[in-house]
Amino acid sequence: AQTVTQSQPEMSVQEAETVTLSCTYDTSESDYYLFWYKQPPSRQMILVIRQEAYKQQNATENRFSVNFQKAAKSFSLKISDSQLGDAAMYFCAYRSAYNYGQNFVFGPGTRLSVLP
Amino acid sequence: DADVTQTPRNRITKTGKRIMLECSQTKGHDRMYWYRQDPGLGLRLIYYSFDVKDINKGEISDGYSVSRQAQAKFSLSLESAIPNQTALYFCATSDPGAGEGDTQYFGPGTRLTVL
Repeated sequence: AQTVTQSQPEMSVQEAETVTLSCTYDTSESDYYLFWYKQPPSRQMILVIRQEAYKQQNATENRFSVNFQKAAKSFSLKISDSQLGDAAMYFCAYRSAYNYGQNFVFGPGTRLSVLP
Repeated sequence: DADVTQTPRNRITKTGKRIMLECSQTKGHDRMYWYRQDPGLGLRLIYYSFDVKDINKGEISDGYSVSRQAQAKFSLSLESAIPNQTALYFCATSDPGAGEGDTQYFGPGTRLTVL
């Protein structure tokens, strides 16, 4: 079974600075999807970014980008020019591309604080 | 208006009571899911439904049941609530044909407390 690990339970960053959140996963599959979700204090789960494993190019969405290292099974999220509104729990998630009967596997989350 | 709605948003109940959490969506997605979130554990899948006639158990289905009343409605029931079912519950939908890797779209969550 696949597992997702986020080794940093909490992190903090100064406003306008850059921060990187780590995620590693364990799988024997070659095709899959990886996601970062954000959960602000409102509790809403919001998709931040998605990466297809077959794509070499790292996904980017405005100030958010990923560093996808397939061989190392690593999928980190970089937030540039951090804003107060970026303060939230961030969850990394894995989804097999082969068996759509399988569920998403979520990591335990990293709580990000943004300091003014 | 929100695409995925959940009712109630918060609920406090007592041990042994039956409780139902409801989810509705206007996204037109066939797939719907119920997750549970506990601190330090991320989200875990309780049940999922690929269409009205297809319902499947997830990782932690014991103590829960579901009903898919229509494409747009998916309810989660706790037949006899117990304190360790205190958690944040999320409904989600997805469209595997959208080319998004079956991205999950979440409702706002229901905070359930069982005393």
